Amino acid sequence: DGGITQSPKYLFRKEGQNVTLSCEQNLNHDAMYWYRQDPGQGLRLIYYSQIVNDFQKGDIAEGYSVSREKKESFPLTVTSAQKNPTAFYLCASSSSGLSNTGELFFGEGSRLTVL
Amino acid sequence: AQSVTQLDSHVSVSEGTPVLLRCNYSSSYSPSLFWYVQHPNKGLQLLLKYTSAATLVKGINGFEAEFKKSETSFHLTKPSAHMSDAAEYFCVVSTSGTYKYIFGTGTRLKVLA
Repeated sequence: DGGITQSPKYLFRKEGQNVTLSCEQNLNHDAMYWYRQDPGQGLRLIYYSQIVNDFQKGDIAEGYSVSREKKESFPLTVTSAQKNPTAFYLCASSSSGLSNTGELFFGEGSRLTVL
Repeated sequence: AQSVTQLDSHVSVSEGTPVLLRCNYSSSYSPSLFWYVQHPNKGLQLLLKYTSAATLVKGINGFEAEFKKSETSFHLTKPSAHMSDAAEYFCVVSTSGTYKYIFGTGTRLKVLA
């Protein structure tokens, strides 16, 4: 089945540690996104990528980093510089790229808790 | 600039009664509009989308939404609520040719037995 796979589903981190969240898609989509979800705030865009080897900062990129070395993969690193990293992280993809806007397809999410 | 406002943060209905979740949007261009549903600790699932075709859009699980340009609204409805509809619902606006998807803050639907 085609879809987006995020791992791990739950992750605990000590303060000062970097962690990497995995996102893999087999939908052959060009565009991929990382969102952060906090209660009552909807989804906020961290980074997005419209093509391999290119990515752009979203609204809340500080303390995060990404890479896009393969079309299928868009990992997110939460660095120690992120002041409040405890949140639910959602990866998404779309076929729109630079053409038309299609719907976003989402993974099941990764819940990060800083101890 | 684009924005989306979900007018109710919480909605409670009895099982078998109609559901109405309200969404207003602002967009300088012809928007694409989406409704997503999210169950606890899960990703978002697309319910339906409007992309300048028919103004009444039918989605999955009996949901539908009507695009009203004059009212800048895209309200989500369902004739009869089921217990399994209890979840959080997000209204999303986007513009063709951009990466930008603007999410509302969500409406939590509670279905009472």
